[in-house]
Amino acid sequence: EAQVTQNPRYLITVTGKKLTVTCSQNMNHEYMSWYRQDPGLGLRQIYYSMNVEVTDKGDVPEGYKVSRKEKRNFPLILESPSPNQTSLYFCASSPGQGRGNTEAFFGQGTRLTVV
Amino acid sequence: AQSVTQPDIHITVSEGASLELRCNYSYGATPYLFWYVQSPGQGLQLLLKYFSGDTLVQGIKGFEAEFKRSQSSFNLRKPSAHWSDAAEYFCAVGGRNTDKLIFGTGTRLQVFP
Repeated sequence: EAQVTQNPRYLITVTGKKLTVTCSQNMNHEYMSWYRQDPGLGLRQIYYSMNVEVTDKGDVPEGYKVSRKEKRNFPLILESPSPNQTSLYFCASSPGQGRGNTEAFFGQGTRLTVV
Repeated sequence: AQSVTQPDIHITVSEGASLELRCNYSYGATPYLFWYVQSPGQGLQLLLKYFSGDTLVQGIKGFEAEFKRSQSSFNLRKPSAHWSDAAEYFCAVGGRNTDKLIFGTGTRLQVFP
C-alpha cells in the first residue's frame, strides 16, 4: 500500500529539548516536504527536498532543520523547540521532477506540543 | 503573489442538502488546482484535481468542482451532503513545473442530521 508514515503521532516536549519527527514514504517519490498546520493559517511549507541531498527552505523554515540522506526518508529536526512551534505537522511526498499535475500523498500528522 | 483564499471558515449544512465550498486563487502561471479533505485525526486525502480540459471535474465521494478562469475560482460542490462529509477542506494551487502546493486556510464543514 502506498503510504507516507510519520512518527510519532503525538509528542509533548519541553522548551529546548531537541527532537526529531521521522517521515518515510514507500512510493519512490523524489519530492518530499514538511508542512505545519495552524488554525486560521492553513498549511504552510517548512522545508522541501527535490531529491537525495537536495533540500531547500519553504515559507516558514525558522527553527527547523531537515536532511535527505535516503530517498525514502525525510526527518524534521527541531534542535531547540519553542512554544511557538506547537502545531500539527504533516509530511508529504509526490513524484517530483516538476510534475505538478500529480497527487501529493500526506502522512497522518504529528501533533507537537512544546511547553 | 501566489495565494489561495477560502472565504468561508465554517459552513453548516443539513444532511441531504447541497453544499458549496468556495476557493479563489492568485497564480502567475497556468494553475493546477486541487481539493483535499482532512477528516479528524487524519492526513489529507485528494478529492479531485484540475489541470486542463473540461472545466467541471468529478472527484471521489460524489464531489465535483468547476474551474472558472475569469473568476479565478475553483469551487467545490456536492448535490447531497452526508454526515460523513463533515471534515476540513483545503483548496490548493500548484503549477506545471513545480511540485510546491500553496494551500488555502481551510473550510470546516459541519453536517447536521
